[in-house]
Amino acid sequence: GAVVSQHPSRVICKSGTSVKIECRSLDFQATTMFWYRQFPKQSLMLMATSNEGSKATYEQGVEKDKFLINHASLTLSTLTVTSAHPEDSSFYICSAPSSRTYEQYFGPGTRLTVT
Amino acid sequence: GESVGLHLPTLSVQEGDNSIINCAYSNSASDYFIWYKQESGKGPQFIIDIRSNMDKRQGQRVTVLLNKTVKHLSLQIAATQPGDSAVYFCAENWGDYKLSFGAGTTVTVRA
Repeated sequence: GAVVSQHPSRVICKSGTSVKIECRSLDFQATTMFWYRQFPKQSLMLMATSNEGSKATYEQGVEKDKFLINHASLTLSTLTVTSAHPEDSSFYICSAPSSRTYEQYFGPGTRLTVT
Repeated sequence: GESVGLHLPTLSVQEGDNSIINCAYSNSASDYFIWYKQESGKGPQFIIDIRSNMDKRQGQRVTVLLNKTVKHLSLQIAATQPGDSAVYFCAENWGDYKLSFGAGTTVTVRA
């Protein structure tokens, strides 16, 4: 099946700094990718839709200026958490949909810890 | 807003027994449902899906049942194995590939 990768898998940063997370579709092109956030023992919550060649669309309650999304190419989307704070510590997961079916391919996730 | 939810947060099952995980959804317009398995520290793994024009779909050791009358979805795992221990999520398609996930059920398999 199709593969989606994320980098880094884990990152620790200090409060106030910014951190970038990459999401890549390895063997297929994705004009759309999705970013989810998952707090411990909770479900995945959709944060935003990353659109290649246009602005990302954010779900209600998600600060677009804090979570910057750039869909640089048909295989790469990046999520930058700006001025990170401890409450931003979470598991960030991206996904990319199949071009032929409804199926979505999820990345392995990035564990962000803000100290 | 409308959301997908799960009836039980945890399920303990004896190895070799069958597991049934339930899910209730409220968006009658959803046309596609998916079950995912998530192991600790990993991304969701696709298990099985079903379109709204179907009532049942079978895979390898798994069966998904959809009851649109009561807006209920279930996942049945046959002959549960230790490797099946994980958190299971149902998800519904909002449209444009956007997924709404349920709360999740933690399945623990007892040896």
